[in-house]
Amino acid sequence: AQTVTQSQPEMSVQEAETVTLSCTYDTSENNYYLFWYKQPPSRQMILVIRQEAYKQQNATENRFSVNFQKAAKSFSLKISDSQLGDTAMYFCAFIFFGNEKLTFGTGTRLTIIP
Amino acid sequence: DSGVTQTPKHLITATGQRVTLRCSPRSGDLSVYWYQQSLDQGLQFLIQYYNGEERAKGNILERFSAQQFPDLHSELNLSSLELGDSALYFCASSVEAGENTEAFFGQGTRLTVV
Repeated sequence: AQTVTQSQPEMSVQEAETVTLSCTYDTSENNYYLFWYKQPPSRQMILVIRQEAYKQQNATENRFSVNFQKAAKSFSLKISDSQLGDTAMYFCAFIFFGNEKLTFGTGTRLTIIP
Repeated sequence: DSGVTQTPKHLITATGQRVTLRCSPRSGDLSVYWYQQSLDQGLQFLIQYYNGEERAKGNILERFSAQQFPDLHSELNLSSLELGDSALYFCASSVEAGENTEAFFGQGTRLTVV
């Protein structure tokens, strides 16, 4: 079975600082996708970034980037120049080809302090 | 706006009752997923439909059922409701079932059972 683990239930950081959220996963599959979703207080689920497992290059979306370590099964999210609007729950998620469900971690509650 | 529409946004009902949650996927998306998120919890996968057929099943209670109609909208039926069924129910859609490169989420239906 595939599992996704987020070991940091809560984090806080000063505005404009950089923060890294951790995620590890367990799978025997080779082809899969990894995602980070953001859930602000509005409860909307927003895709932040995704990574294809077959790509060695780490994905980047503006201030958001990932550190994908396939051998270590690690997929961390780095937020640079953090902003107040980044305050949210962040979920790491995983899906592999042939499976039909997006498996989520338990989430990290991130608070950006003014 | 993700393009996925869920109705209603809020629902309050009594124990023992039955409710129907509705989801309209993004235009062109054949796959619909249902997730349950209890308070301060992660997302639990319930069920997935692809082009009208059930494709995958998660931890969905027997009191719950779903279907996807020819126009691709989906409904999640919850019956004999219990207090513990109070949660946020998300619908997500994507283009492909097997190669789910991205799932777009609706805004959720908040169900309160009293």
